[in-house]
Amino acid sequence: DAGVTQSPTHLIKTRGQQVTLRCSPKSGHDTVSWYQQALGQGPQFIFQYYEEEERQRGNFPDRFSGHQFPNYSSELNVNALLLGDSALYLCASSLWKGATNEKLFFGSGTQLSVL
Amino acid sequence: AQSVTQPDIHITVSEGASLELRCNYSYGATPYLFWYVQSPGQGLQLLLKYFSGDTLVQGIKGFEAEFKRSQSSFNLRKPSVHWSDAAEYFCAVGYQKVTFGTGTKLQVIP
Repeated sequence: DAGVTQSPTHLIKTRGQQVTLRCSPKSGHDTVSWYQQALGQGPQFIFQYYEEEERQRGNFPDRFSGHQFPNYSSELNVNALLLGDSALYLCASSLWKGATNEKLFFGSGTQLSVL
Repeated sequence: AQSVTQPDIHITVSEGASLELRCNYSYGATPYLFWYVQSPGQGLQLLLKYFSGDTLVQGIKGFEAEFKRSQSSFNLRKPSVHWSDAAEYFCAVGYQKVTFGTGTKLQVIP
């Protein structure tokens, strides 16, 4: 049973570029959440997708956008990259239960470096 | 707004000693509380969670946590630490949006 898989594992971009990160949820899960974890910090909630719609959003600018596909996989897009976007981006999957997050399963993340 | 405070950035304990990691939260209603562990270069793994009921919850790897509403705390404990417990521990609160603390890095010395 595959867990949450994220690709790529590492990525280097330059300021102003755009990036797309991908996530496949754990088998049987239908909800995907994205988190940004800066060095030395806890993960910060970016947004959550269920039924191909953004259900919740954290305090992130519109440069951060996402998508969920019919097979429940998800993408995180970041436009106009800034140096401060350098971080570990974590995807977490769960099973939608009346809009609760009873248990999040995390992937190992994508380490994004912006130069 | 919901928030989590983990006052200890770094803790060092001897192998076999007991452990307590502190967590204080702010949440408007009955909180959903979690403890996660993160090993270097890895994602987070859920240790335990509290939604309701018994305020002492048991988790994996011998960890437990106690919810104290009067103190807005959800401290994590383990009676005897193993070297493999060295990692970073995150307390979190939330319903749909989960808010994490800044983490406590645990070092275990022989």
